[in-house]
Amino acid sequence: EPEVTQTPSHQVTQMGQEVILRCVPISNHLYFYWYRQILGQKVEFLVSFYNNEISEKSEIFDDQFSVERPDGSNFTLKIRSTKLEDSAMYFCASSEREPGANVLTFGAGSRLTVL
Amino acid sequence: AQSVAQPEDQVNVAEGNPLTVKCTYSVSGNPYLFWYVQYPNRGLQFLLKYITGDNLVKGSYGFEAEFNKSQTSFHLKKPSALVSDSALYFCAVRDNIAGRRALTFGSGTRLQVQP
Repeated sequence: EPEVTQTPSHQVTQMGQEVILRCVPISNHLYFYWYRQILGQKVEFLVSFYNNEISEKSEIFDDQFSVERPDGSNFTLKIRSTKLEDSAMYFCASSEREPGANVLTFGAGSRLTVL
Repeated sequence: AQSVAQPEDQVNVAEGNPLTVKCTYSVSGNPYLFWYVQYPNRGLQFLLKYITGDNLVKGSYGFEAEFNKSQTSFHLKKPSALVSDSALYFCAVRDNIAGRRALTFGSGTRLQVQP
């Protein structure tokens, strides 16, 4: 069964450093997403991406965050200057068609620890 | 705005007994409703969804959920629980208003099935 692949599985960084989280969505999927889950809390939407541009973002997704699809296969989330409160599990997801009724397929997540 | 409530942090049930994990939602339009399951160190896995039609939807691993519009609920059920069902379960909703791509998740309910 096709999978969404995320790297790294765990990253530890110092506050203020830049972090890039990488995702390889399912190959025929066209819509891409990032969600995050702070330990013990709910899964929160960050951003959706389609046709090489952001289609929707939450209030969490401020100027320190950016997304990119640099080479047609990878989908990256960059945090420019990490803060302690950015420590969370970050999930990438993709869907084949326009979301609505369509199911998102999630990756296993990248755990980010900011010290 | 769309929101989801899962009133129980944890549900304990004995193996072989029926289980119910509760979920209520709030949307502006009509809801698309989903259940996802998260096993330790894994991403979110899709279980089932309600879009329209029959209020009782059947999904993976013997799970089913009942959509109740008057009570704005979408409770997850299984007639006979297995120890392997122990995991974290998330209810999610998406409003069918055009342009909304974000899924809103509940806070999750930990299901513990005792042998």
